Amino acid sequence: GAGVSQSPSNKVTEKGKDVELRCDPISGHTALYWYRQSLGQGLEFLIYFQGNSAPDKSGLPSDRFSAERTGGSVSTLTIQRTQQEDSAVYLCASSLGEAETQYFGPGTRLLVL
Amino acid sequence: EDQVTQSPEALRLQEGESSSLNCSYTVSGLRGLFWYRQDPGKGPEFLFTLYSAGEEKEKERLKATLTKKESFLHITAPKPEDSATYLCAVQANDYKLSFGAGTTVTVRA
Repeated sequence: GAGVSQSPSNKVTEKGKDVELRCDPISGHTALYWYRQSLGQGLEFLIYFQGNSAPDKSGLPSDRFSAERTGGSVSTLTIQRTQQEDSAVYLCASSLGEAETQYFGPGTRLLVL
Repeated sequence: EDQVTQSPEALRLQEGESSSLNCSYTVSGLRGLFWYRQDPGKGPEFLFTLYSAGEEKEKERLKATLTKKESFLHITAPKPEDSATYLCAVQANDYKLSFGAGTTVTVRA
């Protein structure tokens, strides 16, 4: 079956521009997570959606970061006024339920010049 | 705060040379400990979930074990295709994963 998909695969942008990253979870998965993997660092949690509940935004590093999930499926992570330190791989994961195994997408590699 | 420490950072093995990776953790209310494999330029690929001390799981040349403070990933008679970064993560009651920095394994033919 289809796994988690993310787009674009790569994104190069200029400092100060806004970017949108998209995640399509596995069909039927109710939980969706965003993580960030910076060079030389481990994966860090950003935000988590479960069904119709309010998202857990506790990992977002600043108010320039936001995310939404429409219709309980597709999610978009938006970074406003990008900075060079935002350069990283942004990974999306989904799970059948919040206590279930998280399956990851291939990631979006963001480079801010 | 949940903490996950993996060792060693890097491991170079000869094909067929068995070894173990360590994952030490501190977490309030462990729901599960996860092992993932990550190849360069790709997302993490799920390997195992362990839920309680004493539990063991196996898949091909890999075997994962869990105690109350740490987990081990044993690689038996590795092959070059086992070369990857192996990530350990813990899940507590908030459901998000806290990851270690990973162990990069290189297996030479």
